[in-house]
Amino acid sequence: LAKTTQPISMDSYEGQEVNITCSHNNIATNDYITWYQQFPSQGPRFIIQGYKTKVTNEVASLFIPADRKSSTLSLPRVSLSDTAVYYCLVGDYYGGSQGNLIFGKGTKLSVKP
Amino acid sequence: DTEVTQTPKHLVMGMTNKKSLKCEQHMGHRAMYWYKQKAKKPPELMFVYSYEKLSINESVPSRFSPECPNSSLLNLHLHALQPEDSALYLCASSPGEVWNEQFFGPGTRLTVL
Repeated sequence: LAKTTQPISMDSYEGQEVNITCSHNNIATNDYITWYQQFPSQGPRFIIQGYKTKVTNEVASLFIPADRKSSTLSLPRVSLSDTAVYYCLVGDYYGGSQGNLIFGKGTKLSVKP
Repeated sequence: DTEVTQTPKHLVMGMTNKKSLKCEQHMGHRAMYWYKQKAKKPPELMFVYSYEKLSINESVPSRFSPECPNSSLLNLHLHALQPEDSALYLCASSPGEVWNEQFFGPGTRLTVL
């Protein structure tokens, strides 16, 4: 299983772009990278998933370099409501490695006015 | 319907009680999960059901007993729990065998006295 390492916490201000990097040095060829967001006392919410290069959806972008040993979740123009814990997971698309079921320690993002 | 519902929201039980947690989804998903989350910690996988069959049991104590009566419903039966079992219990579902994008319920906050 690919182990993930993220910063424990990050601070930002409203309107700024936030980039959270996740390290996964032993990522396997079949592994995808998935990010979840969790607010206090709520279940995690899927944000974005990617395999290589760049993926963008309506809420975030995911940048993955060619060696895939790290990935960066980019949140454009954050607001106070983006204050949450962000988890990076790495695993086989069809769950064979169970990697996508193992949450790392997560990054607590605090957005200030 | 694109949500996972969990009941009850809160549960307080004694160590000799028997109670059950319920989870329901009507998205046609064929995989369902139970996670346990302690305060300020990431979710920890407990059980996975795939096509109504138990496919993963992460060495969970027998005082936790999962049940999947049909493809939409997942129960977690609790008996003789310990105070350290107090936590947020999260249910999730995903389409088929694709474990990347899991849809989580709001959780049941369990307190064992």
